[in-house]
Amino acid sequence: EIVLTQSPATLSLSPGERATLSCRASQTISSYLAWYQQKPGQPPRLLIYDVSNRAAGIPARFSGSGSGTDFTLTITGLEPEDFAVYYCQQRSGWPQTFGQGTKLEIK
Amino acid sequence: EVQLVQSGAEVKKPGESLKISCKGSGYMFANYWIAWVRQMPGKGLEWMGIIYPGESDVRYSPSFQGQVTISADKSISTAYLQWNSLKASDTAMYYCARRGLLVLDFWGQGTLVTVSS
Repeated sequence: EIVLTQSPATLSLSPGERATLSCRASQTISSYLAWYQQKPGQPPRLLIYDVSNRAAGIPARFSGSGSGTDFTLTITGLEPEDFAVYYCQQRSGWPQTFGQGTKLEIK
Repeated sequence: EVQLVQSGAEVKKPGESLKISCKGSGYMFANYWIAWVRQMPGKGLEWMGIIYPGESDVRYSPSFQGQVTISADKSISTAYLQWNSLKASDTAMYYCARRGLLVLDFWGQGTLVTVSS
């Protein structure tokens, strides 16, 4: 099973700042990485697929990068509605695992 | 508009059986895989398994193989997640999600399952 390790566990920032979230895979997963956002009491929402492709309706301030085993989600100019938990997920191996999540909180 | 509507919250006792549902609309249900994802209280997301309703092809995560049964009825655009004997550790929110673009692009609202004596 491919293990995804996200860091940091919690990130405290202010609105307007830039957030950088990391996801590291236990083995290479090519470009088969997605990012999801989850707010309290809501289901996850797809943000990014295949490393850098934004899903429909996702603002341009969200971007993804990386390859192989190291991946990054960047949010430039944090908006109040961006404070949430973010999960990465790989579809290279079975089962298609998730990272443990990064909580982005208001500083 | 693509929608996945899940059945309502359930409260069950250990040892009881349960079947929860996920009804799709706004797209060709039979042609897209449906995944089930568990989220235990205060925890992260866990991939349970996936089904292709058009052929009832099911794949289970090893952690959930033998613990649950995933099925679907394409005639009514509905997928199911079933337990034969619930345990307290099955207490969680369960989500269904459509696998489009090879990722989970649309999600149901979740079904909270509480197992308590």
